[in-house]
Amino acid sequence: DAGVTQSPTHLIKTRGQQVTLRCSPKSGHDTVSWYQQALGQGPQFIFQYYEEEERQRGNFPDRFSGHQFPNYSSELNVNALLLGDSALYLCASSLGLVPLLDTQYFGPGTRLTVL
Amino acid sequence: EDQVTQSPEALRLQEGESSSLNCSYTVSGLRGLFWYRQDPGKGPEFLFTLYSAGEEKEKERLKATLTKKESFLHITAPKPEDSATYLCAVQANYGQNFVFGPGTRLSVLP
Repeated sequence: DAGVTQSPTHLIKTRGQQVTLRCSPKSGHDTVSWYQQALGQGPQFIFQYYEEEERQRGNFPDRFSGHQFPNYSSELNVNALLLGDSALYLCASSLGLVPLLDTQYFGPGTRLTVL
Repeated sequence: EDQVTQSPEALRLQEGESSSLNCSYTVSGLRGLFWYRQDPGKGPEFLFTLYSAGEEKEKERLKATLTKKESFLHITAPKPEDSATYLCAVQANYGQNFVFGPGTRLSVLP
């Protein structure tokens, strides 16, 4: 049973560029959440997708956008990259709207470096 | 605003030296409290979910407990392989996002 997978593993971009990160949820999960984790800090919630719609959003600018596909996989897009966007981007999947079953399971992350 | 703090920030133990990590939270209606372990450069690995005060969960050398304001992760006779950052997160109300604390970096020396 495959867990949460993310691609790519590492990515280097320059300021002003755009980036797309990808996530495939754990088998049987229908909800995907994205987090940004700066070095030495806890993950910060970006947004959550369920049934191909953004269900909730954290305190991140509109430069951060996402998408969920019919197979529940998801993409995170970041436009006009800033140096401060350098971080580990984590994807977590869960079984949405099911009480006591919506524990979030995380993927290995994508390390984004903005130069 | 929902908040999670963790203490200590870092902890160094000798192998076999038991200790506890603290997670204090402020949340409007706790839905669940979650403990994760994170190794450097990797994604968090799920450990426990606690839903109500008084609840306890155990896994190998780890035991998590929950009160109305905080949670403790007790580590009994730790081994070097227990070295990692331990993250605490809360979920407020049904379907809400997770709010994470900054983590406790645990080092267990042989």
